[in-house]
Amino acid sequence: ILNVEQSPQSLHVQEGDSTNFTCSFPSSNFYALHWYRWETAKSPEALFVMTLNGDEKKKGRISATLNTKEGYSYLYIKGSQPEDSATYLCARDHNDYKLSFGAGTTVTVRA
Amino acid sequence: DTEVTQTPKHLVMGMTNKKSLKCEQHMGHRAMYWYKQKAKKPPELMFVYSYEKLSINESVPSRFSPECPNSSLLNLHLHALQPEDSALYLCASSPTGSEKLFFGSGTQLSVL
Repeated sequence: ILNVEQSPQSLHVQEGDSTNFTCSFPSSNFYALHWYRWETAKSPEALFVMTLNGDEKKKGRISATLNTKEGYSYLYIKGSQPEDSATYLCARDHNDYKLSFGAGTTVTVRA
Repeated sequence: DTEVTQTPKHLVMGMTNKKSLKCEQHMGHRAMYWYKQKAKKPPELMFVYSYEKLSINESVPSRFSPECPNSSLLNLHLHALQPEDSALYLCASSPTGSEKLFFGSGTQLSVL
């Protein structure tokens, strides 16, 4: 299993501001990348599964981009709201039931 | 029903106890997973069941014993655990492999 790195580990953002953070992964033999949102005391929830280089996916105010050649993905939150406060996990899919997760970026939105 | 239900939510056990964690889904998913997560660390895969058969064991110590009685249920039997086994245990399912996972909310386990 190869290492997936997420940065920063945590960030604070003012309500209404936009923010973004990074998931880095080894680019060789890429299959797919997953993003999950994990609110406190809840279950991790899938946001996106991305497979194609240059792909961009959007769900409401949250979007993600993927660069498989250089091995990174960005997740963007536009106009952050308190309900966006969560830990965001990315995971590299090895196409064999195995996901390599990063440690997550914890976002706190201040009102 | 798009939920994965895990019980119990919290468990405290001694090193000589035997306990079981339970996981249930009714989405018809054929792959089910156990993950272990320590605070501030990535979730780590422990076991995968595919079509009710154990397909992946990530070199997990034998004091953890998985069981898949049917396509909707997944158990994790615990025996003679160590304090370092204290962690959040997450169950997940997917329609097959390499699709998004549906997670339960986890069992927070403390071994005394």
